[in-house]
Amino acid sequence: AQTVTQSQPEMSVQEAETVTLSCTYDTSESNYYLFWYKQPPSRQMILVIRQEAYKQQNATENRFSVNFQKAAKSFSLKISDSQLGDTAMYFCAFMGGSARQLTFGSGTQLTVLP
Amino acid sequence: DGGITQSPKYLFRKEGQNVTLSCEQNLNHDAMYWYRQDPGQGLRLIYYSQIVNDFQKGDIAEGYSVSREKKESFPLTVTSAQKNPTAFYLCASRGRGASTEAFFGQGTRLTVV
Repeated sequence: AQTVTQSQPEMSVQEAETVTLSCTYDTSESNYYLFWYKQPPSRQMILVIRQEAYKQQNATENRFSVNFQKAAKSFSLKISDSQLGDTAMYFCAFMGGSARQLTFGSGTQLTVLP
Repeated sequence: DGGITQSPKYLFRKEGQNVTLSCEQNLNHDAMYWYRQDPGQGLRLIYYSQIVNDFQKGDIAEGYSVSREKKESFPLTVTSAQKNPTAFYLCASRGRGASTEAFFGQGTRLTVV
């Protein structure tokens, strides 16, 4: 079974600054997919970015980018030019194997300060 | 509009009663999931289904049951055997393709009194 660990329960960042959220995972699968989801106060889950494990190039979506280190089983999210609307709970998620079970970490509450 | 709908948004039940949470999607997705969210514990998988008439237990299936008689629907029943049912419940669906994202409903907040 796979596990996903987010070791930072809470983080804060000043508006316009850069912040990095950490995620590590454990799996015996060789082919899998990783995701970052955002949950704002409305509690609606929103996909931020995805990464295929077979791709060496790190995914980027506008101000969001990942640092994917497959050997270290690490998948961190970098948010550049932080905005007040980035305040949310961020979840790292893993999907792999034939069962296609989608497993989430415990989340990091990010607060962007004005 | 295509999407995934959970109802109701808030649900109150007396202890010892079974309750069923609704999840419907019109995205033509094969896979559907139920998660429980508690403060500080993230999303924990209760049950998931990859195809009609088939489903698998997740990490915390005890005290819950599901059915998948139609592709569009994946209702979750919280039974009286669930010791601490008060929580926020999220339903999600995914299309075919390993890298496709999961789409989530808006959740149901269940309070057992």
